[in-house]
Parts: sequence; C-alpha cells; structure tokens
Amino acid sequence: AQRVTQPEKLLSVFKGAPVELKCNYSYSGSPELFWYVQYSRQRLQLLLRHISRESIKGFTADLNKGETSFHLKKPFAQEEDSAMYYCALRTNTNAGKSTFGDGTTLTVKP
Amino acid sequence: GAGVSQSPRYKVAKRGQDVALRCDPISGHVSLFWYQQALGQGPEFLTYFQNEAQLDKSGLPSDRFFAERPEGSVSTLKIQRTQQEDSAVYLCASSLAPGGNTIYFGEGSWLTVV
Repeated sequence: AQRVTQPEKLLSVFKGAPVELKCNYSYSGSPELFWYVQYSRQRLQLLLRHISRESIKGFTADLNKGETSFHLKKPFAQEEDSAMYYCALRTNTNAGKSTFGDGTTLTVKP
Repeated sequence: GAGVSQSPRYKVAKRGQDVALRCDPISGHVSLFWYQQALGQGPEFLTYFQNEAQLDKSGLPSDRFFAERPEGSVSTLKIQRTQQEDSAVYLCASSLAPGGNTIYFGEGSWLTVV
C-alpha cells in the first residue's frame, strides 16, 4: 500500500526567505506525485504535478526516486504563500485514487 | 457551472440519523471522487466513479456508507445510522478525463454527528 508523509505540521518563515515543504512517500512502483494548496476559506486546488516539471507561483518540486521524496521549494517566500499544503500520490495501477499526506501549514511572516 | 458544488455545506446530525450529501461536478466531467477529511488530517479516499460506474469503493469505511451516480453527473453519498466517528468534511472532486491530471475539488460538506 502507498503512503505519504509530511513530517512538518507547521512551518513558519519570514517574507523573502527560502522555504521547503517536505514530502516523503512509500510505493514500490512508479508513482505520480502532486502538490495541492488550500488558501484560507478556499477550496483545495492543484498546485503542481511532477510529470509537468513546471514552476507555479515560483514553486518547484523534484521527484527524487532514490530518496522517495517530492519536496516543494520556493526561493523567496511571499506572504500570500501562507496556506495549507498537501502532498499526494497516485499510482499507475489505480488512477482513480489519490493518497494524501496530512498537510503542512505554512505561515510567511512579514 | 463555476466549479464543483456540494450541498449541504454544513450538516448536524444526531447519532443514528441517516444523511445524504450531494455533489454536482463540473459539467462534462467523467470522473468523480469522494474523500473524507477528519480534523487535522489529509483527505482520505472513499470512492471513485467513471460516468455512472463505481469503479472503486475500497475506501468506504463500512457498509453504512453508500455512494451513487445514477446518470453519470450528480452524485450522492449516503451515510446510514451515523456515528460520532463519521464527523468530518466530505470532499467531492471531479476531473474531465478518466484518471485526469487536474482534479477540481468542491468546498466540502461539513458533517458533525452529535
């Protein structure tokens, strides 16, 4: 069975500082990894996915199969980045099911 | 429509009552998903539909939980004889294609069982 772990419940940084939200997974096959974000009073929404290798709102994430990690990074955090972030995994054998971590609350202080 | 719509947004049920939660996916979306999110945790998969077919219901926690999507659009999640441990946010999501990469979530239905 697959599992996603986000070791930090809370993360606080100052505006302009680099930020890294950690995500580790366990799955024996080839996973698809995603980051979702939930801003205050808004619905959960997709931030980025590893297969697109894209940068969204300055965030990037690289899938490291050796370390089974998919950490989310941004070089200069902004106050509007404050939100709840969830890492999620989907397998190629069951595309209908995503497994989520328990989330990290990011606070960017002025 | 503007997005995935869920109703009711908030529901308080007495223990033992039956509840029904409705989800209106984005028009034309083939895939529909239900997740349960307990306080302080991430969403947990309940079930998945492709059109009207329920392809995976492995996440339903007990036979008190039942989901349907009879015409391949609107879906209802029914919980019979609610228990306190059923208190959670129930999230519905949809995607255009089967296994589509972009999944759109609703705002959730907050269920409190007292």
